[in-house]
Amino acid sequence: KQEVTQIPAALSVPEGENLVLNCSFTDSAIYNLQWFRQDPGKGLTSLLLIQSSQREQTSGRLNASLDKSSGRSTLYIAASQPGDSATYLCAVPFYNQGGKLIFGQGTELSVKP
Amino acid sequence: KAGVTQTPRYLIKTRGQQVTLSCSPISGHRSVSWYQQTPGQGLQFLFEYFSETQRNKGNFPGRFSGRQFSNSRSEMNVSTLELGDSALYLCASSLSVSGATEAFFGQGTRLTVV
Repeated sequence: KQEVTQIPAALSVPEGENLVLNCSFTDSAIYNLQWFRQDPGKGLTSLLLIQSSQREQTSGRLNASLDKSSGRSTLYIAASQPGDSATYLCAVPFYNQGGKLIFGQGTELSVKP
Repeated sequence: KAGVTQTPRYLIKTRGQQVTLSCSPISGHRSVSWYQQTPGQGLQFLFEYFSETQRNKGNFPGRFSGRQFSNSRSEMNVSTLELGDSALYLCASSLSVSGATEAFFGQGTRLTVV
């Protein structure tokens, strides 16, 4: 069974810190990996998509890496701000699941001023 | 460019009733997927429609159904509502089939069954 796991489940950091969120998946046969942000009670906002052939992708203060062979991805957030507080989810479409997104349980991030 | 629009945003229904949720994808996107989000189970895939055809289906009972129209708009229907159906229902739109291209989500419909 293909699974996606995110560690830690929750993280609290002071403003200005650089931080890393982790995502692991059980099968390397994936189309891509997508990172999302979710604010309480809201929908998902797409942050970054890394194609299976890529090693990393950057957008502003965010950098995501992908290592298919080890089944891992990291989301690096530089110079964190209180506005970054949200739940971060990674999602993986596996080849033999018809491309549906399998989500991790998310990391709830709190950035304290 | 308009994003993914879901209506209504909030719904309160009674057990046994049925409900229809609507999703309008981003213009030009042909794939619409539906997900259920609950605190206990997280995000779970319901089904995907592409060019008016159901392409993939998750492990949900037959009370959950959907359809897609020729303009790519999609509806999801839940019949004989149960308390456990209370959840945030999210719709995702993508240019091509699910998984192959980036997914964009709507704000969701919060369904409460009482």
